[in-house]
Amino acid sequence: AQSVTQLDSQVPVFEEAPVELRCNYSSSVSVYLFWYVQYPNQGLQLLLKYLSGSTLVKGINGFEAEFNKSQTSFHLRKPSVHISDTAEYFCAVTSQGGGNKLTFGTGTQLKVEL
Amino acid sequence: DAEITQSPRHKITETGRQVTLACHQTWNHNNMFWYRQDLGHGLRLIHYSYGVHDTNKGEVSDGYSVSRSNTEDLPLTLESAASSQTSVYFCASSDLAGYYNEQFFGPGTRLTVL
Repeated sequence: AQSVTQLDSQVPVFEEAPVELRCNYSSSVSVYLFWYVQYPNQGLQLLLKYLSGSTLVKGINGFEAEFNKSQTSFHLRKPSVHISDTAEYFCAVTSQGGGNKLTFGTGTQLKVEL
Repeated sequence: DAEITQSPRHKITETGRQVTLACHQTWNHNNMFWYRQDLGHGLRLIHYSYGVHDTNKGEVSDGYSVSRSNTEDLPLTLESAASSQTSVYFCASSDLAGYYNEQFFGPGTRLTVL
């Protein structure tokens, strides 16, 4: 079985400040990791994904994430946030043999303030 | 452009009634998924399908059913709606090949069971 823990339910941050959204996972097999973003009243869209290779993954809108196998983490970072980044962010995992089924974390609400 | 649509976008129903939520995708994807989103739980998998006439139970399938008669549609039926099924429902689809393919999400249906 696999699971995802997002440690922070809400993260307030001022515009142009850096931000890190934390995600830890557990799985007994090789994993594939995703970050999705959900803007208000919309569906989810993919920010970035880790499949294999380089542990630093770059995504859309200036976001990046680092896969750390020893710490079973996949934290999302952005060096300078904008008001438009206000949204809910979900970390998700699937695994080999998982049939493309995603297990999601509970989400982190990022609120960017002026 | 290919897309995934859900209808209705909002639905209010009464306890005990049968409700069907529609999901239609024009990506020609083989994989389709239904999730529910609840505060504090993130997204949880209800049912999923890997192709026509294939359906499988997810993590929270009790009280729900699906059927897949063609590639484009995966309707979700609540046999006898309960207040605990008040939620936001998301449909998603992904390509067949591989277990790491991006899932594309619909805009969601907000269901209220009174």
